[in-house]
Amino acid sequence: QSALTQPASVSGSPGQSIAISCTGTSSDVGAYNYVSWYQQHPGKAPKLMIYDVSTRPSGVSNRFSGSKSGNTASLTISGLQAEDEADYYCSSYTSTSAPLFGGGTKVTVL
Amino acid sequence: EVHLLESGGGLVQPGGSLRLSCVASGFIFNSNAMSWVRQAPGKGLEWVSGITGSGDRTYYTDSVRGRFTISRDNSKNTLYLHMNSLRVEDTAVYYCAKYQIGTQATTDCWGQGTLVTVSS
Repeated sequence: QSALTQPASVSGSPGQSIAISCTGTSSDVGAYNYVSWYQQHPGKAPKLMIYDVSTRPSGVSNRFSGSKSGNTASLTISGLQAEDEADYYCSSYTSTSAPLFGGGTKVTVL
Repeated sequence: EVHLLESGGGLVQPGGSLRLSCVASGFIFNSNAMSWVRQAPGKGLEWVSGITGSGDRTYYTDSVRGRFTISRDNSKNTLYLHMNSLRVEDTAVYYCAKYQIGTQATTDCWGQGTLVTVSS
């Protein structure tokens, strides 16, 4: 299976909102409501930001939200802050129990 | 607080072997499926292998099936990844990750990773 498709980079100014897309197929993103999003700062481990398409774990800012339509999921960051600058990865459950990751999106705060 | 600590990485020649370990704390280890995810230098995340809480079922990505073996010792709260016939393309930081309880859909906690370098 191929990796999920994400834009290589997205940028925005402080206070703005940005959205990152994650496109899969009807066998992964479109088939299950098990899409997750991870934030990774340089040299650090990934951190879970969103799971089950739109659920935020305890402690994650409500500036982060997730959604899905068909085979495409999206992560929206509102009120962009300098600390949000990082790489973001989407992931989807698949029928083989082997999760698929996206290629990653570098978020830059201008 | 959940804590995952990987060890065992290092420099190994192509064709060599290595065993990674991940010691877990802060949760009931045998209640959660676990996985290994790797990240090649400057690249994205790639799921490598997973194992159920009891250890009765294991899963592998195609590129490592037959070369890597995932296992766990629930009495020691430890996850392992035995890697044989290592290739240059296996070079990566290997992360141990915990699935949410009762599911193999979402990993909610990751260790800091251990670097495996395969080079002659």
